[in-house]
Amino acid sequence: GEDVEQSLFLSVREGDSSVINCTYTDSSSTYLYWYKQEPGAGLQLLTYIFSNMDMKQDQRLTVLLNKKDKHLSLRIADTQTGDSAIYFCAESHAGGSNDYKLSFGAGTTVTVRA
Amino acid sequence: EPEVTQTPSHQVTQMGQEVILRCVPISNHLYFYWYRQILGQKVEFLVSFYNNEISEKSEIFDDQFSVERPDGSNFTLKIRSTKLEDSAMYFCASRGTGNRQPQHFGDGTRLSIL
Repeated sequence: GEDVEQSLFLSVREGDSSVINCTYTDSSSTYLYWYKQEPGAGLQLLTYIFSNMDMKQDQRLTVLLNKKDKHLSLRIADTQTGDSAIYFCAESHAGGSNDYKLSFGAGTTVTVRA
Repeated sequence: EPEVTQTPSHQVTQMGQEVILRCVPISNHLYFYWYRQILGQKVEFLVSFYNNEISEKSEIFDDQFSVERPDGSNFTLKIRSTKLEDSAMYFCASRGTGNRQPQHFGDGTRLSIL
């Protein structure tokens, strides 16, 4: 199946950490991705993790992967007002020509309050 | 940083008319995609394209849809006879060679069918 689930909303105080959670269904997904969408803009690739990794850190972003439970999370440390956006989790599915397609969650709207 | 560009940003068309959505992928990328997002719904895969042919298409991508790489830089999505339900945000994406290369998205074209 191709079903990615995320909580829809998250409100966080500026300076606190944000944690966005995601569950996916395809155990054969090779990579899992986080994209950010600001108002009126496209999908900006934030980070991605290979399925044989448990954790990946990139500056203020930490991705945790629990492959057994098919659970992915994105932690944003020291959340800033510029982090207010919709965050999409996506899993990859192998396709033809050594290619893959993405299945997206519905997106988590993160609101940062002062 | 190189980016995927899409034109127009907003297209308004009468039902039954043909539309062409245009994309300029990142210059050294060889894999191209179209996704769409109907308002309030998830981002959905439409089609992937490699080596001048479609590698995979979803159920949504019926005979009304076609893609083309008319020259070395553009990648287009044509909807032959638009329906009201084609109203959505259409995203183009591209990626480099190798399974580990992530897909990079444009800012999207908002298509409104009247």
